Amino acid sequence: EAQVTQNPRYLITVTGKKLTVTCSQNMNHEYMSWYRQDPGLGLRQIYYSMNVEVTDKGDVPEGYKVSRKEKRNFPLILESPSPNQTSLYFCASSSQGYGYTFGSGTRLTVV
Amino acid sequence: SQELEQSPQSLIVQEGKNLTINCTSSKTLYGLYWYKQKYGEGLIFLMMLQKGGEEKSHEKITAKLDEKKQQSSLHITASQPSHAGIYLCGASASTSYGKLTFGQGTILTVHP
Repeated sequence: EAQVTQNPRYLITVTGKKLTVTCSQNMNHEYMSWYRQDPGLGLRQIYYSMNVEVTDKGDVPEGYKVSRKEKRNFPLILESPSPNQTSLYFCASSSQGYGYTFGSGTRLTVV
Repeated sequence: SQELEQSPQSLIVQEGKNLTINCTSSKTLYGLYWYKQKYGEGLIFLMMLQKGGEEKSHEKITAKLDEKKQQSSLHITASQPSHAGIYLCGASASTSYGKLTFGQGTILTVHP
């Protein structure tokens, strides 16, 4: 089944403890992206990648890192999480000219 | 950066009624996407519009793109409870397909 898989689905962590949210797609898509969704602020793009080793900032990149060493994987790294990064995170992938396929989301709580 | 404004923000309709959701862009649209989301879940891709005047339909949902007005509309005919959810429009920037911005979403409630 064609899909975007994010892990974990739920995560509670403490301020300052580095964490990684994984994202994998099995559709050979060249584009991948990370979003966060917050009440009242909508869906905002964090980072996106056009292909292996090619990434660019979205609208809210501060406090996040990404890497694209393989075409299928696009992990999101929070090196020192803070409470304002508590959010619902989505990974998505696409081929140019087609709509993005979204993962099921990761609900992150930073205490 | 590109901004997308959706209207209305929320909509409550009786089952069987038709409805329209609008999405207006602050900049020229190069690709407009419609998604549906159940609360707290992932987004489901509905359709993509790329050319001015383009119109696409999927089951009872029709979307149109008015390039001159920098606007897209999503129309649902004979709404059903299964149509309930959050509808989001997204648009890509001319210089980068990967940079996709979303509107705030429209919350649709359909009463049986």
